[in-house]
Parts: sequence; structure tokens; C-alpha cells
Amino acid sequence: KNEVEQSPQNLTAQEGEFITINCSYSVGISALHWLQQHPGGGIVSLFMLSSGKKKHGRLIATINIQEKHSSLHITASHPRDSAVYICAVRLSYGGSQGNLIFGKGTKLSVKP
Amino acid sequence: GAGVSQSPSNKVTEKGKDVELRCDPISGHTALYWYRQRLGQGLEFLIYFQGNSAPDKSGLPSDRFSAERTGESVSTLTIQRTQQEDSAVYLCASSLDTPLSSYEQYFGPGTRLTVT
Repeated sequence: KNEVEQSPQNLTAQEGEFITINCSYSVGISALHWLQQHPGGGIVSLFMLSSGKKKHGRLIATINIQEKHSSLHITASHPRDSAVYICAVRLSYGGSQGNLIFGKGTKLSVKP
Repeated sequence: GAGVSQSPSNKVTEKGKDVELRCDPISGHTALYWYRQRLGQGLEFLIYFQGNSAPDKSGLPSDRFSAERTGESVSTLTIQRTQQEDSAVYLCASSLDTPLSSYEQYFGPGTRLTVT
């Protein structure tokens, strides 16, 4: 079983739809990252979370530490949101930080 | 500089040759990461430098891989005796991470390595 599981693997939506991508993990973490990889390959960091909720524009990320689960929401989706969304967790070793483990990504395609 | 830069952007090499990949992080960023992404696959952690601490090399796939960083500046990833399975995009990222706190990571454009 992978330590970081994302769902769904692929998602097709119509422009304007509300989108949710989920990430579950099974290890102790110090932080969780959501990344966006554009079709050309470039990677952009969207959020870094250790608790609660963050919002940036149409994007919202939440994390529930007790349930070891995070969600990324996109409101009023647009074709330019089409990308691969990657969840990554930062391992925690007794309070110190370890390396990152990545989910396999969710490929989102938003149709006009 | 405006962001993280990497060079070369593309590298084609023959099997068995050594290659060096370079990463210039954002000035002032204490932490630097190397990742690998094989075609159609997810990101894999390779190595992490943070300040003057010993690097976390736990992701390096074999002893043919090594990396160095001079202070809080440039890093080079060296792959010796390249194999075809080393073909991938090698990504570098930097951040203001400390040993106890994580911050946003800024990614470079990557180096696409092809081993023929």
C-alpha cells in the first residue's frame, strides 16, 4: 500500500464545476504540500499545510491531521486549471523533518 | 535571480558516461531538494540539503548518484556511469525550510536527461 494515496487518478469536469481532489496518508507528517504540474512539465507549489484550511483565489486546501486526510477544492473550474495535481507529505521523525513522499497525482481536465 | 534555475535544460548522453546537473536556488533559501520524474511517473525524492546540516541522502537510488551544495548556493547532482533507467527529468527546488519548519517549495524548470 502506498503511503500517500490520491483520488481520483483522473478527473474530467465541465467548466464551472466544483472540483475536489483527495489525499490520504498513513505516516506521521510535519506538513503536506499541494503542487500543480502544468502540461509542459513546470511545477508550482499551491499550498503548504500543517493544520486547518488555506484559501488562495478559487483554490481551497484543507487538512485533517487526526484522519490523515487532505482535500484540494477548485471552485468555478476553468480550462486553464487543467493540470496534474500532486499531494506530497513531509515525514516527521520525532519532531525533526524528513524527506517528502509524493502521491501519484490526479490528472484534471476541464472542458469548456 | 527571479527563481530557481537549472542547467542544462536538456542533456543527451551515452550509456556509461558521467553527467553533472546544476541547480541555482533562490538567493537566501536555506533548503535545496533534488527530485526525479521518470516519463509518466510521479516525483521521487532524491536528496535534501538544509543549511549546514548533513544532507538527507535517503532517496538516492544507487551509489552512482551523488550531490553537493556549496553553502547556501549552487548544487550539482552527479550521475556516474549512466544507465538507460536514469533517463528522467531531474527537478530542483528550494525553500526557506528549517530543521523544524516547512515552507513553500519553489521548483526549477528541470533538466531532461536522456541516456542512449
